[in-house]
Amino acid sequence: GQNIDQPTEMTATEGAIVQINCTYQTSGFNGLFWYQQHAGEAPTFLSYNVLDGLEEKGRFSSFLSRSKGYSYLLLKELQMKDSASYLCAVRDKRSGGYQKVTFGTGTKLQVIP
Amino acid sequence: NAGVTQTPKFRVLKTGQSMTLLCAQDMNHEYMYWYRQDPGMGLRLIHYSVGEGTTAKGEVPDGYNVSRLKKQNFLLGLESAAPSQTSVYFCASSYRGEQYFGPGTRLTVT
Repeated sequence: GQNIDQPTEMTATEGAIVQINCTYQTSGFNGLFWYQQHAGEAPTFLSYNVLDGLEEKGRFSSFLSRSKGYSYLLLKELQMKDSASYLCAVRDKRSGGYQKVTFGTGTKLQVIP
Repeated sequence: NAGVTQTPKFRVLKTGQSMTLLCAQDMNHEYMYWYRQDPGMGLRLIHYSVGEGTTAKGEVPDGYNVSRLKKQNFLLGLESAAPSQTSVYFCASSYRGEQYFGPGTRLTVT
C-alpha cells in the first residue's frame, strides 16, 4: 500500500516563497504528481516527477528524491490567487495494465497580503 | 474541447433513493475514474476503468456500481443512497500521466 503525508495547512505572505513538502512510502514508485485545487473546484495538474531532481514551470517547481521518499512543491512570488489546496499524488508500478495513483489529503495554503 | 464534464452538478437525495452520475470526456482517454472527496480524507478512488467495457473496484467501492459501455462515458450509480454517501464526487480521465478532472457533483443524502 501507500502512505502519503503532507502538512494540513500553511500560511505565507504575498510575494514570498513557500515550500510544501510531501513524504511517501510505496512498494513500487512510478511517479509523483502535484495538483492544485481551489475551494469548490476540481483539481488541476501542476507537475510530474519520476526521476530525482527539480522540475521548473514558471513560478512553480517540484523536487523529487526517490531514495528519501520525498518531494516538495516550491511556489515563488506568491500571489493571492495561489491560495488553494495542493495535492500530492503517488503512482505505483503494478501489473495488469493499471498503475494505481493515491492522493494525499492535501495542504491548504493561505496567502496573506 | 469540453474536457471532462459531469452531470448533475448538485443533487439532494433521500435515504434509499437511487441515482446515476454521468461523466463524459472528449479526449479519447482510455482510463477513467470516480473519486469521492470528503473533508480531511482527500480524494478516494471508488471505481475505475482501463478501457471501454471494463471496470474495477477502487479503495471505497461499497454501495456504488459503475458502467463503461462507451469509451467516452463512465457512469456511477448509487442503488440505495445512505447519508454516508454525502460527498463531492469527481470524475477524471487520463491517457498515461496526469488526470483531468470534471467539475464535480455535490451530493447530499438526507
